[in-house]
Amino acid sequence: NAGVMQNPRHLVRRRGQEARLRCSPMKGHSHVYWYRQLPEEGLKFMVYLQKENIIDESGMPKERFSAEFPKEGPSILRIQQVVRGDSAAYFCASSPKQGGTEAFFGQGTRLTVV
Amino acid sequence: QKEVEQDPGPLSVPEGAIVSLNCTYSNSAFQYFMWYRQYSRKGPELLMYTYSSGNKEDGRFTAQVDKSSKYISLFIRDSQPSDSATYLCAMSDSGGSNYKLTFGKGTLLTVNP
Repeated sequence: NAGVMQNPRHLVRRRGQEARLRCSPMKGHSHVYWYRQLPEEGLKFMVYLQKENIIDESGMPKERFSAEFPKEGPSILRIQQVVRGDSAAYFCASSPKQGGTEAFFGQGTRLTVV
Repeated sequence: QKEVEQDPGPLSVPEGAIVSLNCTYSNSAFQYFMWYRQYSRKGPELLMYTYSSGNKEDGRFTAQVDKSSKYISLFIRDSQPSDSATYLCAMSDSGGSNYKLTFGKGTLLTVNP
């Protein structure tokens, strides 16, 4: 089992560009969670998705951020018109059923906005 | 007041020392208490979790939860240089939002050989 795969590991974008972060959950996991880790801050919950459904997006900024988990393929976190404050590490986790205790985290994507 | 407070350290100890890491929290709805280890530039790795109050031991690691004080601890016995990492506490409730983890900022631990 390859674990939770995130790519790219590092992403550099200029202000105003779009960033697309991908997450392939562990085999057999249909629940995906995205977290953001800002410098000097703890991980913050962003969104919880099941296949084709957004279950809870209460932690997502209201504008420019969106997430999807299609029937086929990885989950995508999309950030439009990036700003310097979006620079952070974005982590994806997956689990076989709803719950935090069975969630495995990926290695993260480090987004740098220049 | 933040929901979860964790002393960021850094904490530096000699090899073989007993390490104590702590978090306090304010949300009385939290029922699951987790400890993660995060190596530099890596993702968090779950070490152990406890449901409600009490102790749990796994090898050199012991987790304690005191819900009356809203205080949790992780003890590492016979610490090793390979234990050098950032340790994150995380919590969730047991209801419909049990998937939503609230993390502390993490404590950076260095174990010196």
